[in-house]
Amino acid sequence: DTEVTQTPKHLVMGMTNKKSLKCEQHMGHRAMYWYKQKAKKPPELMFVYSYEKLSINESVPSRFSPECPNSSLLNLHLHALQPEDSALYLCASSQDARQNTEAFFGQGTRLTVV
Amino acid sequence: GQSLEQPSEVTAVEGAIVQINCTYQTSGFYGLSWYQQHDGGAPTFLSYNGLDGLEETGRFSSFLSRSDSYGYLLLQELQMKDSASYFCAVSWDNYGQNFVFGPGTRLSVLP
Repeated sequence: DTEVTQTPKHLVMGMTNKKSLKCEQHMGHRAMYWYKQKAKKPPELMFVYSYEKLSINESVPSRFSPECPNSSLLNLHLHALQPEDSALYLCASSQDARQNTEAFFGQGTRLTVV
Repeated sequence: GQSLEQPSEVTAVEGAIVQINCTYQTSGFYGLSWYQQHDGGAPTFLSYNGLDGLEETGRFSSFLSRSDSYGYLLLQELQMKDSASYFCAVSWDNYGQNFVFGPGTRLSVLP
């Protein structure tokens, strides 16, 4: 199994809503990531979890809150988002954040904030 | 800060060879990766160069020159399915995957 599974695939939420994005992998990877991608732009790193601990937070607004309940799961909790936060949110995993092994990406959650 | 440059678009015909260049300026350097992304799809890892030289994987090869802060992805025997965006990505510290993606090159393969 070389898949990273993200749910939901699409999400529309209001600016006052609270929602969560979920990501799951069963490859035994110990590093997991959240990226944000706008149309026709490259993915931008948001958070890195290494061995279930947050190791990198790229100055992301607090309305985005990551959580890593265990080594297979990664969540991104969303609260009071702005319309400019509408984007494709990608989850990825790799064997170890300290090694330059390949990262496996999920298909993403396409988020629209209205 | 980190900055990467790639051509925005490249067009080639089936069966041809195309080279996508990437130049970078980073505060540190750990390695250069390449990812492919089809429209509506997820980025897919293609190759990684940590040392100078050429890495070959099937129809794809990647090259790195650390002294020139330059790398390229070479795609041979182009197929229609190779039409996609290609991103170089530089990791600049020993976190490995703490990398920044280049702006991407849109490759269109024509029949």
